[in-house]
Amino acid sequence: QVQLQESGPGLVKPSDILSLTCAVSGYSISGTNWWGWIRQPPGKGLEWIGYIFYSGSTYYNPSLKSRVTMSVDTSKNQVSLRLSSVTAVDTAVYYCARLSTFGYAFDYWGQGTLVTVSS
Amino acid sequence: QSALTQPPSASGSPGQSVTVSCTGTSSDVGGYNYVSWYQQHPGKAPKLMIYEVSKRPSGVPDRFSGSKSGNTASLTVSGLQAEDEADYYCSSFAGSNNLVFGGGTKLTVL
Repeated sequence: QVQLQESGPGLVKPSDILSLTCAVSGYSISGTNWWGWIRQPPGKGLEWIGYIFYSGSTYYNPSLKSRVTMSVDTSKNQVSLRLSSVTAVDTAVYYCARLSTFGYAFDYWGQGTLVTVSS
Repeated sequence: QSALTQPPSASGSPGQSVTVSCTGTSSDVGGYNYVSWYQQHPGKAPKLMIYEVSKRPSGVPDRFSGSKSGNTASLTVSGLQAEDEADYYCSSFAGSNNLVFGGGTKLTVL
């Protein structure tokens, strides 16, 4: 069974870097799937951040592209997200998810982790 | 890219059918058959309900169906049940390996 688990600091200061890790179990990230990050501000909708292939290829949301970096660690079977120069508007629940091999749909999701940007 | 447009709310009584719309443009919804729908209960992660406009993943009841006409996709829930009360989000491929989500619709079972 595919399981994803996000982890990282729950509180980040403005202008700092938000760093999260997504540990994948029950499935190798070195397969045919891409791995994505999606966020959801409190009480608001979902926003696609980007996705990454195990080779390191990435695609980012154009609105976040200048601040986002994703990476993979195949030895640990995990993917990571870094978001720089954060402000309060980056406060959100951050989800990692597996992009299905068909249809550009996310078929497995982590439970999400809340990151608050505040001094 | 702009978010897809969904009505903020929808409702129906148990046993009835309800349809949620998702309007985009010819650059996303209208241009590709890559529309997905997600169900999200409070405090939970989204769950994939529909992919490629009208296909259901294994385990999703056939009460859930999807369709598309032009730049608007739709999710229909037939035979509404109490557990269907949730937020529903559409998403679409938007070209150049971009994805876009809708703003979400809160479905209430009366």
